[in-house]
Amino acid sequence: DAGVIQSPRHEVTEMGQEVTLRCKPISGHNSLFWYRQTMMRGLELLIYFNNNVPIDDSGMPEDRFSAKMPNASFSTLKIQPSEPRDSAVYFCASSLGREGKEQFFGPGTRLTVL
Amino acid sequence: GESVGLHLPTLSVQEGDNSIINCAYSNSASDYFIWYKQESGKGPQFIIDIRSNMDKRQGQRVTVLLNKTVKHLSLQIAATQPGDSAVYFCAERAMGRRALTFGSGTRLQVQP
Repeated sequence: DAGVIQSPRHEVTEMGQEVTLRCKPISGHNSLFWYRQTMMRGLELLIYFNNNVPIDDSGMPEDRFSAKMPNASFSTLKIQPSEPRDSAVYFCASSLGREGKEQFFGPGTRLTVL
Repeated sequence: GESVGLHLPTLSVQEGDNSIINCAYSNSASDYFIWYKQESGKGPQFIIDIRSNMDKRQGQRVTVLLNKTVKHLSLQIAATQPGDSAVYFCAERAMGRRALTFGSGTRLQVQP
């Protein structure tokens, strides 16, 4: 199994530009999570999906952030317009089962907004 | 994937010694706990988990202890190796929820 796949691994963009981060969860997993990690705030949950449906998006910072999961094998996290304070490492994780026990993390996308 | 806070606590041990990493959690309704290891440039990696109906669980070279009375979790690593050098996070999950809440992390440095 290839594990959770994220792309791109690194993204550098200018303030005001749209950024789209992509995630392919582990095949068969039914829960998907987006996290953001910064030096100041650590690892924060942004949103999670169960069976492609958003369950809890209370961690999404503001309306500039949106996430979709059109099917069981793909999810996107979009930031529009991006701001320098959005610079962080964004992780996607997936898990299997009703209780969503162990979450498997992807390698992350390092986003830098200039 | 740098994963540390500005004031991340650091534990420095000698290779071969045992390590104990501690974590205080906040939610008395949490029923599931996980320890993750994060190496530089990588995502967090599952180490071991424990449910609230247990107070101890052992894995390969690792043991997790749970004290619900004082809401404290610890990770013990036996015979620490240089490859154990990383940031370690505890995470808790409230009953009925899927989302995990992560602690701020502890950096473990293993001196050869």
